[in-house]
Amino acid sequence: TQLLEQSPQFLSIQEGENLTVYCNSSSVFSSLQWYRQEPGEGPVLLVTVVTGGEVKKLKRLTFQFGDARKDSSLHITAAQPGDTGLYLCAGTGTSYGKLTFGQGTILTVHP
Amino acid sequence: EADIYQTPRYLVIGTGKKITLECSQTMGHDKMYWYQQDPGMELHLIHYSYGVNSTEKGDLSSESTVSRIRTEHFPLTLESARPSHTSQYLCASSHGQGHGYTFGSGTRLTVV
Repeated sequence: TQLLEQSPQFLSIQEGENLTVYCNSSSVFSSLQWYRQEPGEGPVLLVTVVTGGEVKKLKRLTFQFGDARKDSSLHITAAQPGDTGLYLCAGTGTSYGKLTFGQGTILTVHP
Repeated sequence: EADIYQTPRYLVIGTGKKITLECSQTMGHDKMYWYQQDPGMELHLIHYSYGVNSTEKGDLSSESTVSRIRTEHFPLTLESARPSHTSQYLCASSHGQGHGYTFGSGTRLTVV
């Protein structure tokens, strides 16, 4: 079973601060995705990265896939209260189409 | 705009009742999944399907069963609900490997 470890598990910051969430594994993933989930809703896909070393930007969010495709990071610049939520990384390994999810990072941005 | 629909959104039932959680998608995705999630916690895969008449158990043991008679429909059934089944159940679908999942809004089940 391929495991993904996310850190930190909880993050509480003030509006305007920057933050980084990490997703690490000892296994290689063919692709890695980041999701954001709000309370009472299902996760929503933010980005998919497939190439080692790839960097993708989505407004204030920057996603990076490690060169060896074993890790990823999500960086948020100038966080806003609307960024509050549960952030989940998920990787596709050898099982066709099946995702392995990390434990999630609960982000709270205070006004 | 949701392309995958779960009903009901909330359900409170008594112990021993049989229930079916509905999940339908309009995207023509072959692959569908059921996850169980406690609030703010990670997702645990309980069932998945790669197409019609294909169902597999996931990583987390579950007393529920699923069926996939039509591409768009993937219902989950609990024959006899127990308080330990209290959780949020999320349905998802995907186009294929490397493609993102589209999740429904979930069914929050409480068994009393």
